[in-house]
Amino acid sequence: EVQLLQSGGGLVQPGGSLRLSCAASGFTFSNFAMSWLRQAPGKGLEWVSTIGGTTDDNTYYADSVKGRFTISRDNSKSTLSLQMNSLRAEDTALYYCAKQRIVWESWGQGALVTVSS
Amino acid sequence: DIVMTQSPDSLAVSLGERATINCKSSQSVLHSSNNNNYLAWYQQRPGQPPNLLISWASIRESGVPDRFSGSGSGTDFTLTISSLQAEDVAVYYCQHFYNGPWTFGQGTKVEI
Repeated sequence: EVQLLQSGGGLVQPGGSLRLSCAASGFTFSNFAMSWLRQAPGKGLEWVSTIGGTTDDNTYYADSVKGRFTISRDNSKSTLSLQMNSLRAEDTALYYCAKQRIVWESWGQGALVTVSS
Repeated sequence: DIVMTQSPDSLAVSLGERATINCKSSQSVLHSSNNNNYLAWYQQRPGQPPNLLISWASIRESGVPDRFSGSGSGTDFTLTISSLQAEDVAVYYCQHFYNGPWTFGQGTKVEI
């Protein structure tokens, strides 16, 4: 059974930094692209970033986070990370990690990030 | 960027009745190289992460009840719930995966 266990959310001041993690199990982590998506309170879904699997080690970012967020993976630990810098109020959201098979076929439970002074 | 627009924003359906959700993309998501529509549908129940229902516009994921069906091609797509059950109360999102950035519709809330 695929499991994606998320950690690292919290309250941060504008301009601050936060790191999210997603521990994967139940599948061969290195073989799959992984993504972060987010959902602002009461709003819809927004793709944030994707990192490729074994056949594609590229990283991809939404314009809204490019230059501020960095996605990475540690295949030896089956862990996905999202380093978020220069956070803004509009980054406040529930952040999901997701396993990608072209579409997002499995999702974590989410980690709430609140950017506020 | 491809803009996905769903209609209606919300709908109330009686138990056992049909629910129909529409999704329109600002440009075609039909790939000419393989004749596939790069369109997915997700269900998000209250307090839960999204759950993939359908990919390639009409292919149900394993375990998804057959009362859910997807149709359409090019720019116009439909998700149909043939006989609404209580557990189908959720927000439904369409999403294209034709090219980056991948975008979602605004969501359709289905209530009883």
